[in-house]
Amino acid sequence: SQTIHQWPATLVQPVGSPLSLECTVEGTSNPNLYWYRQAAGRGLQLLFYSVGIGQISSEVPQNLSASRPQDRQFILSSKKLLLSDSGFYLCAWSKGAGNTIYFGEGSWLTVV
Amino acid sequence: DQQVKQNSPSLSVQEGRISILNCDYTNSMFDYFLWYKKYPAEGPTFLISISSIKDKNEDGRFTVFLNKSAKHLSLHIVPSQPGDSAVYFCAASYSGNTGKLIFGQGTTLQVKP
Repeated sequence: SQTIHQWPATLVQPVGSPLSLECTVEGTSNPNLYWYRQAAGRGLQLLFYSVGIGQISSEVPQNLSASRPQDRQFILSSKKLLLSDSGFYLCAWSKGAGNTIYFGEGSWLTVV
Repeated sequence: DQQVKQNSPSLSVQEGRISILNCDYTNSMFDYFLWYKKYPAEGPTFLISISSIKDKNEDGRFTVFLNKSAKHLSLHIVPSQPGDSAVYFCAASYSGNTGKLIFGQGTTLQVKP
């Protein structure tokens, strides 16, 4: 069966510090990968998606970037965090288009 | 532009009664719709989905109805149980959209014992 894991689960970072959230999927190959964010009291906003290694599409202009160095690895990064980057970040995967998306456990980021 | 809307931020029902969660969408190209359930500090879990070629899909206590002419879908939970208390998100996608989902804002369901 397929599993998805992301880490760290929680982190508190000062403004201006870098960020790296990692996500891996097991039990499937060539998945579509996604990073979503849930800001406090709001819905789920798609930040990035990837249909293959090195292929990243950004949905919203922002202070974050994403990379896919391996087929089942997706990384969310920032060089300098802003207060507004605080939120709950979710990695997700699907098998191609038009299919159900499955989410990881989520990572709480608090920028102070 | 909010393409998927859940206009009720919260809903409270009594245990054993029916819960009806509603969702509206604006993009007529959407052809796949899903409902997710989310507990605090956890990732959303998939509940049920429906393709645009259907108007109803049932899975146990959960039924999703799709009204394409009204661009409206709903999730029925019957009977409701206290463990159903969570935030429910509807989501939509279309086959030419690389599978990415557009989510509504969520509805918090509270089922009272």
